[in-house]
Amino acid sequence: GENVEQHPSTLSVQEGDSAVIKCTYSDSASNYFPWYKQELGKRPQLIIDIRSNVGEKKDQRIAVTLNKTAKHFSLHITETQPEDSAVYFCAASGTGRRALTFGSGTRLQVQP
Amino acid sequence: DGGITQSPKYLFRKEGQNVTLSCEQNLNHDAMYWYRQDPGQGLRLIYYSQIVNDFQKGDIAEGYSVSREKKESFPLTVTSAQKNPTAFYLCASSIQAGGNTGELFFGEGSRLTVL
Repeated sequence: GENVEQHPSTLSVQEGDSAVIKCTYSDSASNYFPWYKQELGKRPQLIIDIRSNVGEKKDQRIAVTLNKTAKHFSLHITETQPEDSAVYFCAASGTGRRALTFGSGTRLQVQP
Repeated sequence: DGGITQSPKYLFRKEGQNVTLSCEQNLNHDAMYWYRQDPGQGLRLIYYSQIVNDFQKGDIAEGYSVSREKKESFPLTVTSAQKNPTAFYLCASSIQAGGNTGELFFGEGSRLTVL
C-alpha cells in the first residue's frame, strides 16, 4: 500500500519568512496530492491540492510542487503570518484505493 | 446547515466495553471515511466506504467495525479487541464521483478515553 513520509515534524519561522514542508510517497500509481491544515482544536481543512498531470499550483501565498519521477511533493508558504500557525498534513491517493493516505504532520509555528 | 456531524464529542469507556461513534452527513456524498489521529502519527485510515452497503478496511482496521446501511450514516464501533483505543477519531466524507477521492470534509471529531 501507499506510504507517505512528511518532514519536518516541527517548523518555526519568523513572520514574513517562507516555510517549506516536504513529503515523499511510495506508490507510483498515486495521482492526487492534497494538503490539509488543522488549527488547534479544529477539524482538518483542504488548503490546496495537485494532480499528477500538473507540476506546480499556486493560490495566493501557498504553492505546491510535484516531482513524479522522484515521488515527492512540497508545500511552500510565503510571507508567513501568525494565523498560518497550525499542523499541516500532506496526503496521497490513486485510483487503486480511493482513500487518502496521510503524512505524519508538520507543526508550523510563526513567530510574530 | 450542511455538513458532517460526529457524536459524541467526548466519550469515556471502561476496558472490555464496545462503543459506537456516530457519523452523519447531509452533503449527499457517496464516500465516507474513518481516521484515527494520534500525536505525531498523522491521520491513519480505519475503514472507508464508497457506496451504501459496501466498505473496505483501511490500514488499522483490527478491533474496529463499521456499517453503511444509509448513505448519510457511517457509524464506527470500537470493540474490546482494540488494544489501544484511546484516541481522537475523525469521520470524513467526499463526493467521489469517480476518479480520485476529491476534497474530504471532516467532522469535529470524537475523543475516546478508555479508563
